[in-house]
Amino acid sequence: KNQVEQSPQSLIILEGKNCTLQCNYTVSPFSNLRWYKQDTGRGPVSLTIMTFSENTKSNGRYTATLDADTKQSSLHITASQLSDSASYICVVSPVSGAGSYQLTFGKGTKLSVIP
Amino acid sequence: DTGVSQDPRHKITKRGQNVTFRCDPISEHNRLYWYRQTLGQGPEFLTYFQNEAQLEKSRLLSDRFSAERPKGSFSTLEIQRTEQGDSAMYLCASSLRTSGRAGTQYFGPGTRLLVL
Repeated sequence: KNQVEQSPQSLIILEGKNCTLQCNYTVSPFSNLRWYKQDTGRGPVSLTIMTFSENTKSNGRYTATLDADTKQSSLHITASQLSDSASYICVVSPVSGAGSYQLTFGKGTKLSVIP
Repeated sequence: DTGVSQDPRHKITKRGQNVTFRCDPISEHNRLYWYRQTLGQGPEFLTYFQNEAQLEKSRLLSDRFSAERPKGSFSTLEIQRTEQGDSAMYLCASSLRTSGRAGTQYFGPGTRLLVL
């Protein structure tokens, strides 16, 4: 069964500090991996997308890495801001045309940035 | 605002009632998806459309659930004879599929359903 596991489940950091969120997946073969940010009560917003051949992708203070060999990804947030408080969801997409297109979502890491 | 919109944003209903949600995707997007999300969980896929064709349905989509996208634009998700277990956030997303690539999914704000 395709799975996406995220850690930690929740994290509290001080404003201005850096943090790294982890994602392990078993989806294989996979087409791409995305990180989404979801504010409370709102829909997810895409932060980064990486194909299996990419190792890193940045979007402002967010940097995602991917190791397709170990099936691990991380999302690094630098100089955190209060507005970074949200759930961060790792999403893996299977190879298209192989039957189901369905994305596999992790449960998310709930990040709280405190002043 | 040209993003994905959903209506209503919140719905409270009594067990056994029918409810219908609407999703308006980004106008040029040909794919539309429905997800369900419960507290502390990631979204779970329900179904998706390419234009007006419903191409895939999850096993989560029981007979009480039906989705339509009659003209390939907006979509509706109906839940008949609601149960308390249907309480969740229902998310809609859309994407543009071109040249074999599914495209990034853009999510709407969701409809939060509470069944009493």
